[in-house]
Amino acid sequence: NAGVMQNPRHLVRRRGQEARLRCSPMKGHSHVYWYRQLPEEGLKFMVYLQKENIIDESGMPKERFSAEFPKEGPSILRIQQVVRGDSAAYFCASSPPGGRSNQPQHFGDGTRLSIL
Amino acid sequence: AQSVAQPEDQVNVAEGNPLTVKCTYSVSGNPYLFWYVQYPNRGLQFLLKYITGDNLVKGSYGFEAEFNKSQTSFHLKKPSALVSDSALYFCAVRGYGGATNKLIFGTGTLLAVQP
Repeated sequence: NAGVMQNPRHLVRRRGQEARLRCSPMKGHSHVYWYRQLPEEGLKFMVYLQKENIIDESGMPKERFSAEFPKEGPSILRIQQVVRGDSAAYFCASSPPGGRSNQPQHFGDGTRLSIL
Repeated sequence: AQSVAQPEDQVNVAEGNPLTVKCTYSVSGNPYLFWYVQYPNRGLQFLLKYITGDNLVKGSYGFEAEFNKSQTSFHLKKPSALVSDSALYFCAVRGYGGATNKLIFGTGTLLAVQP
């Protein structure tokens, strides 16, 4: 009974490179969320996706960040031209289908991104 | 705007004693409230939720939370703390507006249970 799977667990990039973070939701879940946790801070919402659709991207930085959840395969959070301030833990969560759900979101163990 | 406040950065309690981790919220309409726990280098684990119904909600690992509408609070409680309860605890509220299901988190409270 696999939970939310994120890879890689740790990712090191140099400034200016691209970072790709992957998330496979729990079986049967079609809603995916990305959150960012900066050191000593709580989680901040970034984006909410359903298959092939971005539902809410109000938390995404306007530049360099993008997300997708294709019909087949995992959800991808992509950060172009990374900067030191992008260093953080990025968490993916998923929930079952069904409108404005009252179901809890289930979280992966995160990807810890370090920028050199 | 919706928000969640966790006024204590850290709570210290002796093993066997009752614990309370505080949370207050600000949201228009009826709130959907959640508690999560995070262990080092791990993701968040769901503990319990309040959607509607009884104000006292029971969750995983012996935790419970009391919803108080007049005080806009949702404090997490446990009658007898264990050393293994030591972790970071987050309160969250479901966002309102449009089709969003996003969670708005508090800044977290570190619970330290001393043996």
